[in-house]
Parts: sequence; C-alpha cells; structure tokens
Amino acid sequence: QVQLQESGPGLVKPSQTLSLTCTVSGGSINSGNYYWSWIRRHPVKGLEWIGYISYAGNTHYNPSLKSRVTMSVDTSKNQISLKLNTVTAADTAVYHCARGIGIGGLYFDYWGLGTMVTVSS
Amino acid sequence: QSVLTQPPSASGTPGQRVTISCSGRASDVGSNGVDWYQQFPGTAPKLLIYNNNQRPSGVPDRFSGSKSGTSASLAISGLQSEDEADYFCAAWDDSLNAHVVFGGGTKLTVL
Repeated sequence: QVQLQESGPGLVKPSQTLSLTCTVSGGSINSGNYYWSWIRRHPVKGLEWIGYISYAGNTHYNPSLKSRVTMSVDTSKNQISLKLNTVTAADTAVYHCARGIGIGGLYFDYWGLGTMVTVSS
Repeated sequence: QSVLTQPPSASGTPGQRVTISCSGRASDVGSNGVDWYQQFPGTAPKLLIYNNNQRPSGVPDRFSGSKSGTSASLAISGLQSEDEADYFCAAWDDSLNAHVVFGGGTKLTVL
C-alpha cells in the first residue's frame, strides 16, 4: 500500500518561501510512470493543482503559479519537494502531495493527509 | 472561483439515489476524462471514479459516473450515512496552459 506524508513548517511569513517535503513509502518513486503532484485546498476556494514532477525530474506547473513554484525529486530518499516563493496570505491552505496517473487526463490514486500552512507575520 | 462548476450542497435520505453534477468547458470536461474524489473532514481525498466511469478497486458499485459533452455526473445509489462527505470533480484542461482543474466541491448531507 503506497503512503504519502507531507512535512514542513506550518507557519511562513509573507514574502518568504514555503518549503514542503513529501515522503513516499510502500513503493518506489522510480517504479511506474507516475506524476507526483502537489495539490492544495484553500479554505474557501477549494482544490488547486500546483503541478507535478516525474521520477526523472520532468516538471509541469499550474500556469497561475508557475513563476513562483519549484519542484524537485530525491529518488534516494523517495521524496519529492515543493518550494513556493514570495508567499502571501492567499497561499494559506492545506497542501497535499499525491500520485498522479496520466491516462485520459491526470488523476490521483493516492494522496497524503495534507499539511496546513498558514502565511502570516 | 473554481473552473468546474458543482452545486455547493446536496442531500438525500438513506436508500435514496443522489446525483452531483459537474459542469465544465470543451477544453476540460469536453475533451478529457472526469474524475471524482470523496473527502471526509481531516482526511486525505479518496479517488472514487476516474476516466468518467471507472471505479478503482474497493469502491462500491453504488458509486457511478457518467459524462455527456461538457457535463459530468456522480451518482450514489442506496445512500448510506457514511456517504456524508465532500465530493470534488476534476479534469485535465487542454487549453494553451494545460493543467488540472477542480470543481468547488459539493457537501453531501445524509438526512
């Protein structure tokens, strides 16, 4: 059973960089053609896809966040990471990592529980 | 404001059949498979339906999905109290800036 767990600071100051890590267990990031994604849930706006990274390091970001997002993968640790710079209060959300399958689109069969990130001074 | 349109709430009584709609555009729902997720408070979303009408292993056949044009629906038959949750639809958007788009979510209440 694949499990994903997000970790990182729960509080980030405005204009700083949000950094999160997702650790995958029960399966290797290298196995299969998956699109390891970050998705956030805003308190009011709902779910927003941030982007994905493949095990080979290929990335694709949501155009609305592309200028501020960087994703990376560490296959030796079975982890993916998210960096979102120049954050504002609008980036306050629960951040999930998820395993994406790109058949007929892109759907997510395993999700992490999520980690709440608040942007506040 | 979410790209895909869902009713904010829906309700039904135990045993009833309930449907939740998801409306999109030609570039997303109209061109790609629609997926549905179920989420309980404080838990991770769970994949319920993928590619319009496919159920992952373990999802009861009470849950079914369909799509016509730029609209999709999730149907839950034999409604149970444990079905009370939030339901989200999603699809890949094929427009110039391709990305995944979600609906705003529907809170299902079992009366």
